[in-house]
Amino acid sequence: DTAVSQTPKYLVTQMGNDKSIKCEQNLGHDTMYWYKQDSKKFLKIMFSYNNKELIINETVPNRFSPKSPDKAHLNLHINSLELGDSAVYFCASSRNRDEQYFGPGTRLTVT
Amino acid sequence: GNSVTQMEGPVTLSEEAFLTINCTYTATGYPSLFWYVQYPGEGLQLLLKATKADDKGSNKGFEATYRKETTSFHLEKGSVQVSDSAVYFCALMAGGFKTIFGAGTRLFVKA
Repeated sequence: DTAVSQTPKYLVTQMGNDKSIKCEQNLGHDTMYWYKQDSKKFLKIMFSYNNKELIINETVPNRFSPKSPDKAHLNLHINSLELGDSAVYFCASSRNRDEQYFGPGTRLTVT
Repeated sequence: GNSVTQMEGPVTLSEEAFLTINCTYTATGYPSLFWYVQYPGEGLQLLLKATKADDKGSNKGFEATYRKETTSFHLEKGSVQVSDSAVYFCALMAGGFKTIFGAGTRLFVKA
């Protein structure tokens, strides 16, 4: 059973489109995260939810909007996609302030 | 603010060589320290952790000791294998839910 899953694994789309990435965890964790990893492997935190409440909201364009319908799910919606949004997006979860479990990533390519 | 600095890569070693990847940190209070590993095409996974000074984390032949006096958490392995080729991230968590990641160090191991 996959602990943290993301869909889709690959996403190729054109500039200006709107897309969503979904994340689910079956670990019973309270906290979920979205990260962006660039081509140099640098990892940047974007958002975090704890018990469905937004607790981390880094400096991210407001075209990015997270949604947590329940503790097991955290989705990321991106409006008006730009070339610079191309990256790998990782979802992660943790039991409160402990180590994080990462999903396999979604490689987003904007053309 | 809190930060993590790790040695720049790539690091290239022959099989069975000794590995050290340096990591130093700046943090207020008493952070927990982590090493994560990312294999090609995958998400990050926890390699080891230490939650207080002088703790030693170990896993799969890798070790790191939490040194408060030198604010360091260097990763070591006595004999690397080709399968250890990956990107290694040092990270800290110091209160709150935010994990601060280093820039990552890519390791190549040649047969």
